Parts: sequence; C-alpha cells; structure tokens
Amino acid sequence: GIQVEQSPPDLILQEGANSTLRCNFSDSVNNLQWFHQNPWGQLINLFYIPSGTKQNGRLSATTVATERYSLLYISSSQTTDSGVYFCGHSGAGSYQLTFGKGTKLSVIP
Amino acid sequence: GAVVSQHPSRVICKSGTSVKIECRSLDFQATTMFWYRQFPKQSLMLMATSNEGSKATYEQGVEKDKFLINHASLTLSTLTVTSAHPEDSSFYICSVWRGLNTEAFFGQGTRLTVV
Repeated sequence: GIQVEQSPPDLILQEGANSTLRCNFSDSVNNLQWFHQNPWGQLINLFYIPSGTKQNGRLSATTVATERYSLLYISSSQTTDSGVYFCGHSGAGSYQLTFGKGTKLSVIP
Repeated sequence: GAVVSQHPSRVICKSGTSVKIECRSLDFQATTMFWYRQFPKQSLMLMATSNEGSKATYEQGVEKDKFLINHASLTLSTLTVTSAHPEDSSFYICSVWRGLNTEAFFGQGTRLTVV
C-alpha cells in the first residue's frame, strides 16, 4: 500500500509562533485529509484537501498531488492547538483511511 | 455539533468479560462505518468495516470472533470486545463518511482498560 510519512514527529512552539507540518506519500493519493487529535483523543477533521489550497482561520493546507505531498500551516499558534496532527488518505472510490504516524505539537505559553 | 457519537468514552472491565461500544451517526444515514484501534503514542489502525445489513469486513490480523461488529441500522454500529484480556486495552474509535470524496468524521473514542 501507499506509505505515508509525516514530519516532524514532534514539535514544540512558543505561543504565537507559526509552523508547517508535512505529509509525504509514496504514490498518488486521493481523499487527502488532515486531522487534529486533542489530548482527550477526539479526532477533528481540519481539511479535506485532495489538491490545491484551503484556509480556515489560522489554519491552511496545501496539497501538491503531482509531487506527492501536503502541508498544514498553523499561524499564531495557541495552546489549544496542542495535540497530534494526522494526515490520512484513501484510494479512489474507497472510504478506508490510512494514516501517517502523526506530528505531536506542543504549544507552550 | 457532533456528527458521530460514541459511547462509552471510558470503560474498565475485568478479564474474561465482554464490552460493547456503540457508534451512532447523528447527521446522516451511514451504510458503512469504520472501527479503528489506537495504541498509546501510535497512529490509528483500521480494524474493520461495518456494513449495514451484512457481515463486517475485517482487516488482516483482526480476530472477528474477538471483535464482534453489528450494524443493525443505518445509524448504529456496535463493537463488542469478547472475553477481554489486558492486551485488548486500547483506544477504539469509530468513523463515518458523509460520502465519497468528502470528509471523514470520528467519534469521541472509547478508552478500554482490561484489568
């Protein structure tokens, strides 16, 4: 199957700083999505972004499908942004998500 | 508001007993739901696909007799961990999709501890 690599595995930020999280794929992907898992385990869908760029408040994401990567940008980070960020994908016509290992983000005051 | 509701959020049970976890799709009918398992500090691994009105499809290595899945209605899937053992302790999460090429939504998760 398609391998998904996320980087960095861990990230510590001062509140107010910006960051970029990356997701690389070993082959073409469909249905690329970014999720935030909060410290209580709840997974929140941030973006469904098979290609192009989307923005939602302080967060934005870009997927360059031809180059097999996706980026998640967090600007003006807040302590509530802490948690683990996962990217996941599924194949064409499939609902089965395969996840990367995640990036653990810690935002300190 | 929540799209998927999972219950219970936390359960502690004794070895040898069975535990049932419920996953409800609140916003739309879901003919297919998904069950994931997550070990501490690890990613989510798909366990099985729950199909309304038919048998679940299990991923390789997942014991179907250990993890019983029932999808009796278009809004409810249940995962029963039978004869639980300490190694079954984990975080279990269900997921639904509104449709192909759309977002996936997840339940709150269930933290199972078998003592």
